[in-house]
Amino acid sequence: AQTVTQSQPEMSVQEAETVTLSCTYDTSESDYYLFWYKQPPSRQMILVIRQEAYKQQNATENRFSVNFQKAAKSFSLKISDSQLGDAAMYFCAYLKRDDKIIFGKGTRLHILP
Amino acid sequence: DAGVIQSPRHEVTEMGQEVTLRCKPISGHNSLFWYRQTMMRGLELLIYFNNNVPIDDSGMPEDRFSAKMPNASFSTLKIQPSEPRDSAVYFCASSMSGVYNEQFFGPGTRLTVL
Repeated sequence: AQTVTQSQPEMSVQEAETVTLSCTYDTSESDYYLFWYKQPPSRQMILVIRQEAYKQQNATENRFSVNFQKAAKSFSLKISDSQLGDAAMYFCAYLKRDDKIIFGKGTRLHILP
Repeated sequence: DAGVIQSPRHEVTEMGQEVTLRCKPISGHNSLFWYRQTMMRGLELLIYFNNNVPIDDSGMPEDRFSAKMPNASFSTLKIQPSEPRDSAVYFCASSMSGVYNEQFFGPGTRLTVL
C-alpha cells in the first residue's frame, strides 16, 4: 500500500530565510501525482504546488519549489524568503490514477520574526 | 465563486446524539470528497462521490458513519450515534471529474463530542 511520510512534525525558520520540508513516499507505481497543501490557522486547505511523476523538471510556484527525486521517492518543499503568512501546517500528498489521495501527517511550520 | 461551503463551522454535541455535517461543492464540480483530520491520524479520506454516486467509501470508519449526495449541489455526512472519538475536523472538498484535478477544500467543521 502507498504511504506518505513527513518526518518533521514541526519546524521553525527565521523570516526571510529558506526552509525545506521533507516528504517521502512509498509506491510501486510509475505514474502518479504529488502535492503540497498548506493549512493556515483558518483551516482551509490550499494547494501550494503539484508535481507530475513523469516530469523530471521540478515544479515551482513563486517562492515555493520542490526537489522531486523519483528514484529515491522523495518530494521536499523549499520555501524561499519565508514570510509570516507562510506559518501553517503543510501536508504532502500522493495520488495515483483511479485511487484516492493519501496525505502525510503534516509539518507545522513556524516563522520567527 | 463562493468556494466549497460547509456547515456548521463548529458543532458540539453529546455522546449518542446524531450529527449531520453539510457541504455545498463548487458549482460545476462533479467530484466531492469527505475528509477527517485528527492529530493522531492526520488527514484521512472517508468517502468520495463522482456524479453523485459514491465511488469509494472504504475510509468510512464504521457503520455509524453515512454519507449522501442527493444532488450535484449538496452532500451530507451523518454520524449516528456520535462518540467522543469522533471529535475531529471534517473537511469537504470538490473537484472537476477526474481524480487528478485539483481539489478545493471547504473551511471544515470542527466537531466535538462530549
